[in-house]
Amino acid sequence: SQKIEQNSEALNIQEGKTATLTCNYTNYSPAYLQWYRQDPGRGPVFLLLIRENEKEKRKERLKVTFDTTLKQSLFHITASQPADSATYLCAPPGGGSYIPTFGRGTSLIVHP
Amino acid sequence: DGGITQSPKYLFRKEGQNVTLSCEQNLNHDAMYWYRQDPGQGLRLIYYSQIVNDFQKGDIAEGYSVSREKKESFPLTVTSAQKNPTAFYLCASSTQKEGAQHFGDGTRLSIL
Repeated sequence: SQKIEQNSEALNIQEGKTATLTCNYTNYSPAYLQWYRQDPGRGPVFLLLIRENEKEKRKERLKVTFDTTLKQSLFHITASQPADSATYLCAPPGGGSYIPTFGRGTSLIVHP
Repeated sequence: DGGITQSPKYLFRKEGQNVTLSCEQNLNHDAMYWYRQDPGQGLRLIYYSQIVNDFQKGDIAEGYSVSREKKESFPLTVTSAQKNPTAFYLCASSTQKEGAQHFGDGTRLSIL
């Protein structure tokens, strides 16, 4: 069955460093993948969408890559700030559907 | 400002009682969705609707019901048949098929 894996352990980094979060998927080949940010007690907020024919996409301090050979997407935040602390969710569409299937998310904690 | 409004923020249910969660959007989106989020889990799709007067079951529809009489509204009823209703419920909407999902800030449901 289709599976999305994000590192369940929290990622702790120092302010100013680059945070890199990983999303692996198995048993299917999504045409695109979305990334969301979720703060405690709030709904997720859409950040970026990357398509299978795009190797990399950037938005301000965010960068997403999509490696269809490795079946992996990497999410980078450069010059990280404490305000970037949140849970980041990877969401490719479910097989045969356009509706996102959400991973469990990775918690990022940026220490001042 | 356009957005999605969920109410109430907190809701308590007695055993054997049905409760209805409200979701309203003024983004003029055709598609609307209901998700359930449990601690440490990803979002799981309960129901979705792509157009008024039509909706489909998601992965965990048992014990839930919805209606879509208006484009702006997609209420979710948690019935007494749902044996483990305690969770964080999120409503979302989107436009084009690849489009970003816009989420409300959720309703936290607990059993008395």
